[in-house]
Amino acid sequence: GAVVSQHPSWVICKSGTSVKIECRSLDFQATTMFWYRQFPKQSLMLMATSNEGSKATYEQGVEKDKFLINHASLTLSTLTVTSAHPEDSSFYICSARVLTGYGYTFGSGTRLTVV
Amino acid sequence: AQTVTQSQPEMSVQEAETVTLSCTYDTSESNYYLFWYKQPPSRQMILVIRQEAYKQQNATENRFSVNFQKAAKSFSLKISDSQLGDTAMYFCAFMKLLNAGNNRKLIWGLGTSLAVNP
Repeated sequence: GAVVSQHPSWVICKSGTSVKIECRSLDFQATTMFWYRQFPKQSLMLMATSNEGSKATYEQGVEKDKFLINHASLTLSTLTVTSAHPEDSSFYICSARVLTGYGYTFGSGTRLTVV
Repeated sequence: AQTVTQSQPEMSVQEAETVTLSCTYDTSESNYYLFWYKQPPSRQMILVIRQEAYKQQNATENRFSVNFQKAAKSFSLKISDSQLGDTAMYFCAFMKLLNAGNNRKLIWGLGTSLAVNP
C-alpha cells in the first residue's frame, strides 16, 4: 500500500521548453506532497511542499515561477519546470506523507536532461 | 535549526559481515522521528527503519537495527549479515514538525555510500 507513481521516469527536452512531472498516489490520499531535487551522489534537496487545494510553499532559493507546483487533487501533484535550461538537469523525486505511522512514500524519480 | 550529520561518506563491508553507519543530529525538540532510508542504484528511496524519539527501545527490522542514544543525539544503523543487495546510499533523516497544520518535512543527512563486497 501507499504507492506513489511518478512519470515520466526520464525525459529529455530542449532548452527553453517546459516539462511536466506527475506524481499520483495510487491507493491513498496524499494531502501533502514534497518535491525534491537530487544531484548525483548527493542528498535530497527539498524544493517545495504542496498541500491539496492550496499554494505550494517553496524553500529558500527555489524560484517558484520556474518550478510550478500544482496539487489540485488528493491523488495528483505536478511539477512543471518552465523554460528549462541545462542547469535544471537533475533527478527530481516526489514524496507523500502517509498519515499512518508517520511514514513517507517516494516516487521512483524523474531524470531530466535539458539539451 | 535542525541538522543531521552523517560523517562517513563511503563505507565498505564484506558479504555476511556486520557494518554500522553513524548519524548524529541536533535539535531542541523532545518529540520527533528518525529514519534511515536506502537508495539503491535504481534511485528508488526505500524506508529501512524508523524510530520514535519517545520510545527507549531501539527499533529493529530483520537484519537492520538502530542504536538510538537520545541524550547524545545519535542514531546509528547496524546491518547484520550484509548482503550484496544492501549496496546503496543510506540516508539518515529527522522529521521536523512545521508550525502550519500537519505538515512534516524531513531533514536529511548527506548520505553514506555503502558497498557490500563479495
